[in-house]
Amino acid sequence: AQSVTQPDIHITVSEGASLELRCNYSYGATPYLFWYVQSPGQGLQLLLKYFSGDTLVQGIKGFEAEFKRSQSSFNLRKPSVHWSDAAEYFCAAAGANNLFFGTGTRLTVIP
Amino acid sequence: GAVVSQHPSRVICKSGTSVKIECRSLDFQATTMFWYRQFPKQSLMLMATSNEGSKATYEQGVEKDKFLINHASLTLSTLTVTSAHPEDSSFYICSARTSGSKRELFFGEGSRLTVL
Repeated sequence: AQSVTQPDIHITVSEGASLELRCNYSYGATPYLFWYVQSPGQGLQLLLKYFSGDTLVQGIKGFEAEFKRSQSSFNLRKPSVHWSDAAEYFCAAAGANNLFFGTGTRLTVIP
Repeated sequence: GAVVSQHPSRVICKSGTSVKIECRSLDFQATTMFWYRQFPKQSLMLMATSNEGSKATYEQGVEKDKFLINHASLTLSTLTVTSAHPEDSSFYICSARTSGSKRELFFGEGSRLTVL
């Protein structure tokens, strides 16, 4: 079955520390992969996307993600987290006619 | 980038009334739009896929007679919550997909529905 898994429900990091949010997908072929962020009370914002080509994708706000086919993963990373990064992050995969979201990872940033 | 506008952003209604939420793609044509619902502290749940000019495809467990979806044009899809009840209170989000090879998704800002 097609699915997206985000194993970490909640992650807490200190401001300035590095961050990695995990995402694994289960799909017949390589899907289009996305990371979105949702700040409290707001809609979703696209951070970055992967369609093909370079497996390391740069996004907005200093985020990057790396597609690893062998691991069926598309983990999101940021070298130094800011307090304003506290939000909920969703990984998503899109096939021809379907869209699947992970359950989200809530990020808490402590001073 | 492409913009998806969702209206209203907040709506409060009485139990038993119907509420319509609009989702518009402002600078691109979207043959496919998606409607989601977010329960408190939970992930987005895909409710239905809306295709322009045809009936929406509902996910399992979503009542199609309660959540009416109309995708009348390439830039507008509407979700009508009929005979709303307090348990329908939620955050509803739409997204629109661009055509072509990249199939990029853009999301509206969401509509918070409160049913009294």
